[in-house]
Amino acid sequence: EPEVTQTPSHQVTQMGQEVILRCVPISNHLYFYWYRQILGQKVEFLVSFYNNEISEKSEIFDDQFSVERPDGSNFTLKIRSTKLEDSAMYFCASIQQAYNEKLFFGSGTQLSVL
Amino acid sequence: KNEVEQSPQNLTAQEGEFITINCSYSVGISALHWLQQHPGGGIVSLFMLSSGKKKHGRLIATINIQEKHSSLHITASHPRDSAVYTCAAPKLGSNYKLTFGKGTLLTVNP
Repeated sequence: EPEVTQTPSHQVTQMGQEVILRCVPISNHLYFYWYRQILGQKVEFLVSFYNNEISEKSEIFDDQFSVERPDGSNFTLKIRSTKLEDSAMYFCASIQQAYNEKLFFGSGTQLSVL
Repeated sequence: KNEVEQSPQNLTAQEGEFITINCSYSVGISALHWLQQHPGGGIVSLFMLSSGKKKHGRLIATINIQEKHSSLHITASHPRDSAVYTCAAPKLGSNYKLTFGKGTLLTVNP
């Protein structure tokens, strides 16, 4: 079964450093999402992306965050200057159509900011 | 924003028992998601439903749009069903800008 792939599985970085989290969505999917889960807390929506544009974003997704689909297969989340509170598990998800479909999630990237 | 409440927070069952997890939300929606997460694992989407009932194997999800309530049932529970089950409701007008519940930690003992 096709799957969403995320790399790396773990990322450790120093506060203030830039990180890029990578995702390869399922090949015929058109809609892409990032969610995150801080340890012990609920999963939170970050951003949705379609047709090379952000379609929705949450209050969390401030100017420190950006997303990109650089080459037609990868979907990346960049955090420009990481803060301690950015430490979380980041999940990428994708779907083919925008409605009435289950999301396909990647296995996540655990980001630790020291 | 849609407030999503789940109950119970923790549930321990014996293998074979029938399990019910409940979810209520505050704002009318077009569809609700049920998700599963094994300890240390990724998120698996179990159901997206907008009305009535859906069944997949031993899992059944129901939704009552008027009452803003959904339930996830597991029949003949098995230790491998042990996981966190979470419902998520979208912001009005969106299907995937989701507000997640806190999750229900299910432990099924052999």
